[in-house]
Amino acid sequence: DVKVTQSSRYLVKRTGEKVFLECVQDMDHENMFWYRQDPGLGLRLIYFSYDVKMKEKGDIPEGYSVSREKKERFSLILESASTNQTSMYLCASSSGPSGQYFGPGTRLTVT
Amino acid sequence: AQSVTQLDSQVPVFEEAPVELRCNYSSSVSVYLFWYVQYPNQGLQLLLKYLSGSTLVKGINGFEAEFNKSQTSFHLRKPSVHISDTAEYFCAVTHTTGFQKLVFGTGTRLLVSP
Repeated sequence: DVKVTQSSRYLVKRTGEKVFLECVQDMDHENMFWYRQDPGLGLRLIYFSYDVKMKEKGDIPEGYSVSREKKERFSLILESASTNQTSMYLCASSSGPSGQYFGPGTRLTVT
Repeated sequence: AQSVTQLDSQVPVFEEAPVELRCNYSSSVSVYLFWYVQYPNQGLQLLLKYLSGSTLVKGINGFEAEFNKSQTSFHLRKPSVHISDTAEYFCAVTHTTGFQKLVFGTGTRLLVSP
């Protein structure tokens, strides 16, 4: 079975802090994704990557950056956390059209 | 560009009753379609997918969905629900060529009561 893990289930940070969210997948998938999930808005794509060191902006990239130095790892970075970035963050990976496989999510609270 | 509409934000149903969660999509090109389920405080789990072939797709936990190209719909059904089916359900679409980014609907919360 595909396994996608995220470094934290819950995280509390202060406004202005730099925040790192880590995601690791164990199925050698070439594609990885970061989403945020907010009530009533569904899932919105922040960034995705289709290969090591390659990244593309999604629908809401402002305030975020990403890093993919190894195939299995995709990191989401909040350069200066703000309260409007309080959300559930979901990582996913995929290979071809079979669908994306999601991690358990990180609930981030910025105070 | 694709879009997905899940008209029902919440569907209450009694245990052992049938249920249908509606999903309509919009796309100018051929699509793949997916249903995901999210239990409280968890990530999304793939329920089923339509890639090609038979328009009736069976998934995990007794769910099935039917792809209707003329009506651009992919409704999810289960003949008899359990309390444990209480969760949020997301429909998603992607085009069949090029890089496949999923476009999600806003979700339908299924509430099963005894």
